[in-house]
Amino acid sequence: DQQVKQNSPSLSVQEGRISILNCDYTNSMFDYFLWYKKYPAEGPTFLISISSIKDKNEDGRFTVFLNKSAKHLSLHIVPSQPGDSAVYFCAASITAGTYKYIFGTGTRLKVLA
Amino acid sequence: EADIYQTPRYLVIGTGKKITLECSQTMGHDKMYWYQQDPGMELHLIHYSYGVNSTEKGDLSSESTVSRIRTEHFPLTLESARPSHTSQYLCASSEVGSGTKTQYFGPGTRLLVL
Repeated sequence: DQQVKQNSPSLSVQEGRISILNCDYTNSMFDYFLWYKKYPAEGPTFLISISSIKDKNEDGRFTVFLNKSAKHLSLHIVPSQPGDSAVYFCAASITAGTYKYIFGTGTRLKVLA
Repeated sequence: EADIYQTPRYLVIGTGKKITLECSQTMGHDKMYWYQQDPGMELHLIHYSYGVNSTEKGDLSSESTVSRIRTEHFPLTLESARPSHTSQYLCASSEVGSGTKTQYFGPGTRLLVL
């Protein structure tokens, strides 16, 4: 049973437009969420995180939104750039405990020039 | 910028060989992790450690073993490699009990067992 789901395996966006990547989770105990970006044959790079006490966190072109009632989070990239083309993973954890992180299957973003 | 290193980056090896994948971090993080990832799939936790002399098995069963003799070093060993072990192995670390709960990853080792 997958606790963190990224239902869109791929997404194509025109350069300069907004990219919206979605993530759903099932465990209401998750209280910390992270987004990572991964290029082929490299390790994931941390992008942005959000605690469950917030509903929005912004860092430059990246904004993460959290809707706890819907158990849904999204990553917005504005404006999208060709260098953003990569696989994006969301991850969730229960911080008062084992500090384990559960990852989604990833969404491959392609930004078209 | 996270300082976590993995060697080798790529490894092609024959069935039955013993291999050790190295992972080191210079951030003084207490927690370290090993994940296995196949293309198009999620990262599966196979081992983690809370600190020196502490190791636990992760959510995905693995024939590999780990050790944590020093804070900065968390090697993973396969006693007898098989083609089913072909995958990408990712090491990560994080702090414990601090404000940040971010997990930082190394560059990964891509393993091919023939």
